[in-house]
Amino acid sequence: NAGVTQTPKFQVLKTGQSMTLQCAQDMNHNSMYWYRQDPGMGLRLIYYSASEGTTDKGEVPNGYNVSRLNKREFSLRLESAAPSQTSVYFCASSAGQGHTDTQYFGPGTRLTVL
Amino acid sequence: GEDVEQSLFLSVREGDSSVINCTYTDSSSTYLYWYKQEPGAGLQLLTYIFSNMDMKQDQRLTVLLNKKDKHLSLRIADTQTGDSAIYFCAENQAGTALIFGKGTTLSVSS
Repeated sequence: NAGVTQTPKFQVLKTGQSMTLQCAQDMNHNSMYWYRQDPGMGLRLIYYSASEGTTDKGEVPNGYNVSRLNKREFSLRLESAAPSQTSVYFCASSAGQGHTDTQYFGPGTRLTVL
Repeated sequence: GEDVEQSLFLSVREGDSSVINCTYTDSSSTYLYWYKQEPGAGLQLLTYIFSNMDMKQDQRLTVLLNKKDKHLSLRIADTQTGDSAIYFCAENQAGTALIFGKGTTLSVSS
């Protein structure tokens, strides 16, 4: 099993450009998440999908959209990138059992917006 | 407070024990987690503890939970240079997503 995979690993964008970050999991998990990590800020939740067909906003959703394409895949889209979106983006997945849920993380996408 | 709190840095010598502390916010959190992040990598689940436990031991790792004070600690025995990383405490609130602390950077010198 590959676990959680993310593409690309690195990306540089210019302000105003758009891009989609891809995430896939092969653990048959119901729930998937997108976080961003900034220095000194820990991880903050952008969006999550509790199950296929549903998505919900997290703590910092502005400037992002998500698509739960199927049970395996959860993508994050930046429609018009801004320098404030320079960050490391992590996708995670979990079985989806509420308080007993353990999340497993991908390796991250390092995004720089110039 | 609303945040999961951790001290930002810890420096130890190889062979010593490391203790990383965390205070969490939600007394109804059922599971509490410790994740490890090595430089340039994603988060790796280290261990977790169920809220009705006081202690959990897993090889060199010992997790202590004081539910009354909402205090969680991670002890690493015989710390090695390979343990140098950022350690995140996290709690699972409301069954949706994890709330993370800002991370403790552990530096191990030989």
